Amino acid sequence: DVKVTQSSRYLVKRTGEKVFLECVQDMDHENMFWYRQDPGLGLRLIYFSYDVKMKEKGDIPEGYSVSREKKERFSLILESASTNQTSMYLCASTPDRGTEAFFGQGTRLTVV
Amino acid sequence: QKEVEQNSGPLSVPEGAIASLNCTYSDRGSQSFFWYRQYSGKSPELIMFIYSNGDKEDGRFTAQLNKASQYVSLLIRDSQPSDSATYLCAVNRGSGGYNKLIFGAGTRLAVHP
Repeated sequence: DVKVTQSSRYLVKRTGEKVFLECVQDMDHENMFWYRQDPGLGLRLIYFSYDVKMKEKGDIPEGYSVSREKKERFSLILESASTNQTSMYLCASTPDRGTEAFFGQGTRLTVV
Repeated sequence: QKEVEQNSGPLSVPEGAIASLNCTYSDRGSQSFFWYRQYSGKSPELIMFIYSNGDKEDGRFTAQLNKASQYVSLLIRDSQPSDSATYLCAVNRGSGGYNKLIFGAGTRLAVHP
């Protein structure tokens, strides 16, 4: 089975902290994604990556950055956490264009 | 205009009825289309995908795609209470060799006994 693992299920951070969310997939997928999910807004794409060291902005990249140094790992970085970044963060991966996305279990981040 | 639009619902149907979920998308270059189901507190899971115009059936589920109208739908026959969940429409806007997967806000379905 494909496995996408996010480093934390729940996280509480203070305003202004630098926050790292980690995602690891074990199926050699080329594409990886970071979404945030808020009530009534669905999944909104923050960043995605189609290859090692390659990244593209999604629809809401402001306040975030990403890193993909190895194919299996895609990190989301909140440079200076703010309360409006309190959300559920979901990582996903896909093997190639047009195929199923596999999701991690999600990280519920609270910024206080 | 959002890239992928869905009616947020809730859509309430009686057990055994047909539930019809709709989705429109804005980019004519979109190539593949997906329906995911998400139970409360869980991650999305794939129900069906469709690439070509027309209908695709899988058990109680039928996906319909009309590229000219930029419209995707999901029909659930013989709805069960266990089908109660949020259904997310997703569109692959891949181009230039990469894969950009965009989701709608989801439609909440409630199937009552």
